[in-house]
Amino acid sequence: EAQVTQNPRYLITVTGKKLTVTCSQNMNHEYMSWYRQDPGLGLRQIYYSMNVEVTDKGDVPEGYKVSRKEKRNFPLILESPSPNQTSLYFCASSLSGWVDNNEQFFGPGTRLTVL
Amino acid sequence: DQQVKQNSPSLSVQEGRISILNCDYTNSMFDYFLWYKKYPAEGPTFLISISSIKDKNEDGRFTVFLNKSAKHLSLHIVPSQPGDSAVYFCAASAGYNQGGKLIFGQGTELSVKP
Repeated sequence: EAQVTQNPRYLITVTGKKLTVTCSQNMNHEYMSWYRQDPGLGLRQIYYSMNVEVTDKGDVPEGYKVSRKEKRNFPLILESPSPNQTSLYFCASSLSGWVDNNEQFFGPGTRLTVL
Repeated sequence: DQQVKQNSPSLSVQEGRISILNCDYTNSMFDYFLWYKKYPAEGPTFLISISSIKDKNEDGRFTVFLNKSAKHLSLHIVPSQPGDSAVYFCAASAGYNQGGKLIFGQGTELSVKP
């Protein structure tokens, strides 16, 4: 089954404790992206990757890191989480960065709480 | 500054009637628009899209209308079904050079009552 998977689905942590949220897709997609969803703000892009070893900042990259060593994986790293990073996170992938007729497939989400 | 706005946080309609969800945008560089549907505890799923060169796109019960002069798009669902109850996000893109980025609205929660 074609899908985007994220782990963990739920995480409660404390300020400053490094964490990684994994994202994996099995559709051989070149493009991957991370979003966060907050009440009243919709989804905002954190980082994106056009292809392996190519990553760039989205609209809200502060406090996050990413890497793209393999095509299928795009982990999101919080080196020193803070309470304002409490949010619902979504990973997405698509065939390429062209949006036209190129829907982005989303993972199920990771709900992160930073105390 | 919110470039894509959905001003109605919620909408309630009766089964069988039409649902109309609205979305406004401010950036005239947007050239592609999408609607996503989201159920609780799931990621958004693509529903329908429209290019800026068109003013209407239809897929079964779902139709998206684009009014470029008003910078407004709407999603019509006819007839509405209880299974359509979900949060609907509109999204816009300014093309490849924008890193494939989608700019999302805040979402509208649709409730279809039997």
